[in-house]
Amino acid sequence: QVQLQESGPGLVKPSETLSLTCSVSGGSVSSGNYYWSWIRQPPGKGPEWIGYMYYSGRTNYNPSLKSRVTMSVDTSKNQLSLKLSSVSAADTAMYYCARENGGAFDPWGQGTLVTVSS
Amino acid sequence: DIQLTQSPSFLSASVGDRVTITCRASQGISSYLAWYQQKPGKAPKLLIYAASTLQSGVPSRFSGFGSGTEFTLTISSLQPEDFATYYCQQLNSYPYTFGQGTKLEIK
Repeated sequence: QVQLQESGPGLVKPSETLSLTCSVSGGSVSSGNYYWSWIRQPPGKGPEWIGYMYYSGRTNYNPSLKSRVTMSVDTSKNQLSLKLSSVSAADTAMYYCARENGGAFDPWGQGTLVTVSS
Repeated sequence: DIQLTQSPSFLSASVGDRVTITCRASQGISSYLAWYQQKPGKAPKLLIYAASTLQSGVPSRFSGFGSGTEFTLTISSLQPEDFATYYCQQLNSYPYTFGQGTKLEIK
């Protein structure tokens, strides 16, 4: 079965760029049937959809973050990546990747906590 | 953006109780609604998609209903492992959005 695992620095300084990777196992990011999303969840709050990536390179970002977000896919490594520029304390959150499957997100990665602080 | 409002935000109940959580959308979303369960320190887990379809492996005590703007998640007989936070999510239009959550606590 497909498993996702996020990785990246747990601490990022304000104004810098947050960079995360989502490694996919048990399936291929090149499968044409799925969109791959990033979601974040600030401490004590509900999830927020950041955007999706399709293996062809097509993306769709949340307008609230669009000016700062870049998503990409590396099919040779079976990985997705997320970059969020000009971060501030408001970007402190648990970051998840997930597969959109038949009208819902499943599975999700375990998440990685990113703290923005100097 | 489509706003999802869950009620109640907090719910206190006992093992064996039947509970219902409501999710209201700010505009019609057909049946493009999913429900998730989240326990502390864990990723959300899919329970129901397409408003009423039970995800494989999810106990049958969970059920979903609704279409358009009003949806419900019902747990027919609460078990100890059901105490968690529940979120609804709309996948009708971008940007996808989530409700603010309903925290289900043991009475």
